[in-house]
Amino acid sequence: QQQVKQSPQSLIVQKGGISIINCAYENTAFDYFPWYQQFPGKGPALLIAIRPDVSEKKEGRFTISFNKSAKQFSLHIMDSQPGDSATYFCAAAPGRQGSARQLTFGSGTQLTVLP
Amino acid sequence: EAGVVQSPRYKIIEKKQPVAFWCNPISGHNTLYWYLQNLGQGPELLIRYENEEAVDDSQLPKDRFSAERLKGVDSTLKIQPAELGDSAVYLCASSFVTGELFFGEGSRLTVL
Repeated sequence: QQQVKQSPQSLIVQKGGISIINCAYENTAFDYFPWYQQFPGKGPALLIAIRPDVSEKKEGRFTISFNKSAKQFSLHIMDSQPGDSATYFCAAAPGRQGSARQLTFGSGTQLTVLP
Repeated sequence: EAGVVQSPRYKIIEKKQPVAFWCNPISGHNTLYWYLQNLGQGPELLIRYENEEAVDDSQLPKDRFSAERLKGVDSTLKIQPAELGDSAVYLCASSFVTGELFFGEGSRLTVL
């Protein structure tokens, strides 16, 4: 059972453009929603995370938007740069404290930012 | 601070052969995870340790996979015998209590 659905599978954006990746979840017990960035040959690294008590969180050029009623969340990368080219995974975890101990990952989005 | 260290980074074996992967977590991290990452997919949890206890191994194929975490620090993941479908990247991660997950660079297995 795929509990976190991610789209698109791949995304090509021009330098300076906005990259948008979407995720939807089914389990209403999910309480912690991180995004991971993975470069080829490396392990995933936490990029930004949100809890459902807020609808948006911004860190630099990266913003998470969260819609609890629709059970959807998205990652926006503003002013996309070639160095942002990587695979991005959304994830979700249950629990009141939303720990990372029970993360379920999406299938990933391969982002390519053209120079 | 050293990150999560995994070895070997790459392993090529014939089917039916055994293989083992080793993981050294970040110092002080009591929780250790082994994830399986197939090509073009997100990581899937195989097993989670809290100190030396395996608290979630529901997704570990126990007929051929085994894992151990001696003294609550390093961990080893073993596959015996390996099958063609086991070709994937095996990721180790660690965290402190409920904190952020830190991943290693992974061990890429190719089964011929």
